[in-house]
Amino acid sequence: DAGITQSPRYKITETGRQVTLMCHQTWSHSYMFWYRQDLGHGLRLIYYSAAADITDKGEVPDGYVVSRSKTENFPLTLESATRSQTSVYFCASREGSSYNSPLHFGNGTRLTVT
Amino acid sequence: AQSVTQPDIHITVSEGASLELRCNYSYGATPYLFWYVQSPGQGLQLLLKYFSGDTLVQGIKGFEAEFKRSQSSFNLRKPSVHWSDAAEYFCAVVNNAGNMLTFGGGTRLMVKP
Repeated sequence: DAGITQSPRYKITETGRQVTLMCHQTWSHSYMFWYRQDLGHGLRLIYYSAAADITDKGEVPDGYVVSRSKTENFPLTLESATRSQTSVYFCASREGSSYNSPLHFGNGTRLTVT
Repeated sequence: AQSVTQPDIHITVSEGASLELRCNYSYGATPYLFWYVQSPGQGLQLLLKYFSGDTLVQGIKGFEAEFKRSQSSFNLRKPSVHWSDAAEYFCAVVNNAGNMLTFGGGTRLMVKP
């Protein structure tokens, strides 16, 4: 099915462990984004990518790493998870460079760090 | 820096009643403004957007929003709410550099039968 898919849907991990959240889109959109959603904060941008092999920091990048070797995939890695990274993570994609094109969101990954 | 404030964390309305969700922004130039809706367990869906031109913007699902520069507001309205409108609503503005969206904290809408 066309769309944007995040996996896993739920993840529990321990403090200090590395965890990778996956994002895959079938539209070949050039732009992809990672947001985290926390109560009272809305969504905050972690990292974004304008194309394969081009990534840039958002508002809250510390503790996260991204890569984009292929246009359709944009994994987010927490190198050493902390409890403050417990959150719901959303991946999004956009066709063009302008915000005139809408963002398309995945259904999110709920991550709990114990 | 740009910012977005949604003053109401929760709002409850009766089905069939009118709805207005408030959004105030802080931005130096003409803002690009959006409203998104998030149903439980889902990602966000775009309701409508304002870039320029007519200050009253129509969106999907019967929603509209009015841009008021003098009040730095972009309030979302619907004349008659349906039970299926229960969700969380987010206002957002594009930042000065044009490379990211800044979201408000969200308003959770509950609909009474």
